[in-house]
Amino acid sequence: GAVVSQHPSRVICKSGTSVKIECRSLDFQATTMFWYRQFPKQSLMLMATSNEGSKATYEQGVEKDKFLINHASLTLSTLTVTSAHPEDSSFYICSARAGTNFYGYTFGSGTRLTVV
Amino acid sequence: AQSVSQHNHHVILSEAASLELGCNYSYGGTVNLFWYVQYPGQHLQLLLKYFSGDPLVKGIKGFEAEFIKSKFSFNLRKPSVQWSDTAEYFCAVTVSGNTPLVFGKGTRLSVIA
Repeated sequence: GAVVSQHPSRVICKSGTSVKIECRSLDFQATTMFWYRQFPKQSLMLMATSNEGSKATYEQGVEKDKFLINHASLTLSTLTVTSAHPEDSSFYICSARAGTNFYGYTFGSGTRLTVV
Repeated sequence: AQSVSQHNHHVILSEAASLELGCNYSYGGTVNLFWYVQYPGQHLQLLLKYFSGDPLVKGIKGFEAEFIKSKFSFNLRKPSVQWSDTAEYFCAVTVSGNTPLVFGKGTRLSVIA
């Protein structure tokens, strides 16, 4: 079945630094990837939708200059949290879908970001 | 925009008890519905999905869900839960192949011996 690899699984960084999270589709081409953020004991909140080769579409309230998303190839999307602050500490999850087959929403295992 | 409501925040059941988790969505058109499970420390896994056809959908691990269009509901059921079903359960909806999933807030299920 479709597999999405996300790493790192955990990262601790100092306030003011940047962190990059990678999301790879291992056995399919992901034309669309979604980035979610999950706060403790809450649901997944969509941050942005990225389509290969074009700019990401951000949800209202998500700072695009802070959360940089790149989807340069059909198998890789990256989320960079720039100038991270403690309030950015969260669980970030990517999801990939192949083409127009929306039967196949596959999730990565998530990245726990802690900013100290 | 569509939204999803899960009424139960935390459900505690004894083993072998029957389970029903509520899920309601708000959208007047055609929807595609999903239930995901997140075991402690693990990533989201698809339990079952509904796109069309028989409104009673059977998923993995003995779970099933029934789509009732008139009630905008897609409740998850299992006749007899096990300790290993302890997890967070998320209902999600999308309206087309080009839109992302919208999740409910989740229901934490704790199964005790």
